[in-house]
Amino acid sequence: DVKVTQSSRYLVKRTGEKVFLECVQDMDHENMFWYRQDPGLGLRLIYFSYDVKMKEKGDIPEGYSVSREKKERFSLILESASTNQTSMYLCASTPTGPHEQFFGPGTRLTVL
Amino acid sequence: GESVGLHLPTLSVQEGDNSIINCAYSNSASDYFIWYKQESGKGPQFIIDIRSNMDKRQGQRVTVLLNKTVKHLSLQIAATQPGDSAVYFCAEKPPARQLTFGSGTQLTVLP
Repeated sequence: DVKVTQSSRYLVKRTGEKVFLECVQDMDHENMFWYRQDPGLGLRLIYFSYDVKMKEKGDIPEGYSVSREKKERFSLILESASTNQTSMYLCASTPTGPHEQFFGPGTRLTVL
Repeated sequence: GESVGLHLPTLSVQEGDNSIINCAYSNSASDYFIWYKQESGKGPQFIIDIRSNMDKRQGQRVTVLLNKTVKHLSLQIAATQPGDSAVYFCAEKPPARQLTFGSGTQLTVLP
């Protein structure tokens, strides 16, 4: 079974802190994604990566950056957390081509 | 159907009845579609997919119907069970672009 793991299920941070969310997948997938999910708004794509050291902006990249130094790991970074970044963050991976995305369990981040 | 906003569409069905969840997609060029199930506090879980060269695909207790003429996708769940209670959302993928997700429908199964 494909497994996508995220470093934390729940995280509480203060405004202005630097926040790292880690995601690891074990199926050698080329593509990895970071989404945020807010009530009634669906999943919104923040950043994605189709290869090591490659990254592409999604629909809402402002306030975020990413890092992909190894194929299995994709990190989301909030350089200076703000309260409007309180959300559920979901990581996903997929092989190249039209395939389903496999999701991690999510990290619920609260910024105070 | 699904919509963007603060409140999810809801569907309540009696246990044992069939459920039909609808989704209107936006891009006529989309050629791949997925239905996901998301239980409270968990990540989305793949249910079934369909490519645009098909209009129907069946899985275990689930059927997806695709009507490209009106850009409509539906998920049918047979003999709905309490464990089916969750948010269901569709996703569409145009060629050379990423998946776009709908906001979801809350399915509640009544005893």
